[in-house]
Amino acid sequence: KAGVTQTPRYLIKTRGQQVTLSCSPISGHRSVSWYQQTPGQGLQFLFEYFSETQRNKGNFPGRFSGRQFSNSRSEMNVSTLELGDSALYLCASSTGIGGGEAFFGQGTRLTVV
Amino acid sequence: DAKTTQPPSMDCAEGRAANLPCNHSTISGNEYVYWYRQIHSQGPQYIIHGLKNNETNEMASLIITEDRKSSTLILPHATLRDTAVYYCIVHNAGNNRKLIWGLGTSLAVNP
Repeated sequence: KAGVTQTPRYLIKTRGQQVTLSCSPISGHRSVSWYQQTPGQGLQFLFEYFSETQRNKGNFPGRFSGRQFSNSRSEMNVSTLELGDSALYLCASSTGIGGGEAFFGQGTRLTVV
Repeated sequence: DAKTTQPPSMDCAEGRAANLPCNHSTISGNEYVYWYRQIHSQGPQYIIHGLKNNETNEMASLIITEDRKSSTLILPHATLRDTAVYYCIVHNAGNNRKLIWGLGTSLAVNP
């Protein structure tokens, strides 16, 4: 069974631009969660999608948004990029909402210059 | 805020057991203890979880104290590949809540 796939793995963007990251969950998993990880901050929860609906949301500004498609694949978008958005963005899939056993992708390393 | 307290770093000799402690004194009766690890520049990996009883799988053992206020993750024979940050999380999946991550314990396995 294929694992969680995130694309791209690395990305360099300029301040003010927008970016879209993609996540394909494990087959059969309907929940996808997104996290931001920066040095010293640990994993910060962005949002969770289940059956194409956002079910949980973290404390991030509206520049961060996401969506989920009918095949459970998910995308997150960050608009008007800031230097502080440089981070590792991780996607996790699980069978149900708020599942404790989550499977993570390798992440997308975003650098904003 | 994370509901767990872990030492920021630990060392272990290769081949020896690594015992990683976690305090969760405010754990509720319906919250499980989950452990994950994150090897450098990779996504976190689920290790094990438990409610009350001790648990063991092919990766590790989880020992939960009788009052459930603390737990220990045991890697029985640590290898260099076990060098990672280990996260202890308390979580009640039934409430559809998100996982809340602390800073974990950075375990260095030394040759």
